[in-house]
Amino acid sequence: QVQLQESGPGLVKPSQTLSLTCTVSGASISSGPYYWSWIRQLPGKGLEWIGYIYYTGRTDYNPSLKSRITMSVDTSKNQFSVNLRSVTAADTAMYFCARVGKDGHSDYWGLGTQVTVSS
Amino acid sequence: DIQMTQSPSSLSASVGDRVTITCRASQTISTYLNWYQQIPGKAPKLLIYGASWLQSGVPSRLSGSGSGTDFTLTIESLQAEDFATYYCQQSYSTPYTFGQGTKLEIK
Repeated sequence: QVQLQESGPGLVKPSQTLSLTCTVSGASISSGPYYWSWIRQLPGKGLEWIGYIYYTGRTDYNPSLKSRITMSVDTSKNQFSVNLRSVTAADTAMYFCARVGKDGHSDYWGLGTQVTVSS
Repeated sequence: DIQMTQSPSSLSASVGDRVTITCRASQTISTYLNWYQQIPGKAPKLLIYGASWLQSGVPSRLSGSGSGTDFTLTIESLQAEDFATYYCQQSYSTPYTFGQGTKLEIK
């Protein structure tokens, strides 16, 4: 059974960098053909696709966040990560990691991690 | 970006009812349309992908249809566990985008 688990600080100060890691079990990130994505949900709102990464390091980011985002993958640890720079209160959200199938659907999700941006 | 619009935004129904949720894309997306269910405090759960393919383990009383710009999710004979929020998502082109959600409530 594929499982994903997000980890990272729950509180980040404005202007700092939000860093989250997703640890995958039950599947190898480097086996393909899946992409590995981040999605967030603003408080009481809908879902926003942040971007995804392939095990080779190929990335695709949401243009709305592209200038502030970096994703990376560590195949030795079966993890992938996201860094979001210069955060503001508008980045307060529940952050999910998910596996993306070849047609773009996300079939396995982490439980999510709440991140609050506040001084 | 492709805009996804769901209707209705909320819906009240009773156990045993049949309900339909619609999703419209701002441009054609072929059948790159996925449906998710989210229960409060939980991660979204994939129900249907490719517009009409039922994800493994999802009851057959759920079904999806459509292509191009107009899609529907139908739930036959509502059960208690179906009361949740439903989202459509296009995966035709990045950035993948979601509908605003349809909250299905018990009447």
